[in-house]
Parts: sequence; C-alpha cells; structure tokens
Amino acid sequence: LAKTTQPISMDSYEGQEVNITCSHNNIATNDYITWYQQFPSQGPRFIIQGYKTKVTNEVASLFIPADRKSSTLSLPRVSLSDTAVYYCLVGSPRPNAGKSTFGDGTTLTVKP
Amino acid sequence: DVKVTQSSRYLVKRTGEKVFLECVQDMDHENMFWYRQDPGLGLRLIYFSYDVKMKEKGDIPEGYSVSREKKERFSLILESASTNQTSMYLCASSLPGTRRSSAYEQYFGPGTRLTVT
Repeated sequence: LAKTTQPISMDSYEGQEVNITCSHNNIATNDYITWYQQFPSQGPRFIIQGYKTKVTNEVASLFIPADRKSSTLSLPRVSLSDTAVYYCLVGSPRPNAGKSTFGDGTTLTVKP
Repeated sequence: DVKVTQSSRYLVKRTGEKVFLECVQDMDHENMFWYRQDPGLGLRLIYFSYDVKMKEKGDIPEGYSVSREKKERFSLILESASTNQTSMYLCASSLPGTRRSSAYEQYFGPGTRLTVT
C-alpha cells in the first residue's frame, strides 16, 4: 500500500484558494488518488478522485503530475464551512481491493 | 443518496463485555468496511468485506471479529471489550473496484463513539 504524507495543518482566510499537497512516492501503477473531507463528529465524505493530470468537479480540483508521486487538492474561494480535516487516500481499483490506508489528514482552518 | 447507518451514536460498555456494532447500507454495495479513529492516529482499517460471508483483515484486526450474513449488513464484534478499544468506530460501504470511476469512493456512516470503562 502506498503511504501518504500530508501537512498536519493549514490556515487560510475566506475567499482564498487553498492547495493541500499529498506525497505518495510509492504509488503503484493501478492506484487511484482519492480525497475525503471530515467534519467533527461525522464520517468522512468523498470529495474527488483521479488517476492522472487534472480532475475538476463542483467542489474541488485535483492536480496530479506526470510522475504521480504527489497530488494537490485545490479548493477555490474557501469559506468558514470548509474548515475540516482533509484526507488523501491512495489505492488500487482492483476487484475486491478494499484494503486502504488513510493518513493522518490535514486540518484546514479557514478564518474570517 | 447512499445511506449508511450505524446502530448507535454513543455506547458505554464495561471491560470484558461482548459488544456488537451494527452497520447497514441501502445502496446494494458489495464492499463494506470498519475503521476506528483515534486522535493523532487518523483512520485505521479493522476489517473489510467484499461479499456476503467474505471478510479480510485490515491493519488492526486484533481483538475484533466481523460478520456479514446479508449484503446490506456488516457487524463488528468486540469479543471481550478492553479500555484500549475506546474509540470512534466508523462503517463505510462502496461499490466494487471493478468500476474505475468508483474505486475507493467510500460512503461513511455517522460513527459510533464507544467508551469502555
């Protein structure tokens, strides 16, 4: 399993763009990169997933360089409600490949 | 919307008791997971199941067992609860990894905060 490394915490202000980078040097050829968001006293919530280059949805963008050894979650114009823990997860989409490891996550604090 | 429910939000048990944590999902997902979450340790996988009656150990299976008799239900069992099993327990489900766009898109329940005294 690819081990992931993220910054422990980040601070930002409302309206700014936030970029959270995850390192996964041992990513395997078939591994996908997935990001989750977690608020206190709730389970994690899926944000975005990608394999290479760039993926964008209504919530965020995910940038993956050609070597795939890192990925960057980009949150445009954050608000106070984006204060949460963000987890990067790397794993294979192989059938029955449910085993996965969440890192410690990045605690994002958005200030007014 | 996918819904994953867990039997209790808060649970207090005594050391040595047998504890059952139940999880039910309503989206016909093949995969189901049990995690525990502790401050400073993130989410750690205990067990997962990719089909009825099938199970595989995660990273920290010691002291736990699981049961999956029906597709929608996945139970976590603490045979003899100990104080070091005090934690937040999270259940999740997902489609199988055969679909590239859904690989590891897990849907989580609200969690059960278990306290063992």
